[in-house]
Amino acid sequence: SQELEQSPQSLIVQEGKNLTINCTSSKTLYGLYWYKQKYGEGLIFLMMLQKGGEEKSHEKITAKLDEKKQQSSLHITASQPSHAGIYLCGAVNSGGYQKVTFGTGTKLQVIP
Amino acid sequence: GAVVSQHPSWVICKSGTSVKIECRSLDFQATTMFWYRQFPKQSLMLMATSNEGSKATYEQGVEKDKFLINHASLTLSTLTVTSAHPEDSSFYICSARVGRAGSPLHFGNGTRLTVT
Repeated sequence: SQELEQSPQSLIVQEGKNLTINCTSSKTLYGLYWYKQKYGEGLIFLMMLQKGGEEKSHEKITAKLDEKKQQSSLHITASQPSHAGIYLCGAVNSGGYQKVTFGTGTKLQVIP
Repeated sequence: GAVVSQHPSWVICKSGTSVKIECRSLDFQATTMFWYRQFPKQSLMLMATSNEGSKATYEQGVEKDKFLINHASLTLSTLTVTSAHPEDSSFYICSARVGRAGSPLHFGNGTRLTVT
């Protein structure tokens, strides 16, 4: 089965600082999602990456997928308290249902 | 668009009783829905894939007789936790994909189950 490891497990940053979260897969990724979750709530879709070397941005968040499609990073520029939450990467299974299995998660706190 | 509604948002039940959780796609049809479980301070664990009109596909280690899944229509999947025990207490969350494979999953807001 596909295993996703995220690092760091938790992160505390000062407002305005940049940060990066990494997601590493034990197998080549068919596709990768990034989601944000407030604990105990639903997940908010951020971005999806499918091609090696792909990079996408939305507002202050940029996600990249490496050429080998085994590692992705999520970068937040000039962090704000609204960025706080749990960030999850999800690997898309290449099977018919395209199941998604999630990484270990990264808890982000932004201190004003 | 692409709203997934989950009900109830929280439920408390006594040990030995059964609890049903509903997952609805409000503005789209979903032939496939996914059920996840989340333990405190942990990531989401895929439990099963719910398929409209056919049997659900369970992940390894998930008891199909304990967690009954019914996908009766293109907009509704239900998860029934049968004979619930305190160890079943958890956060359950469903998701569905809009349109073709490759598009993102949309998630419900989850159900917090507490078994006393």
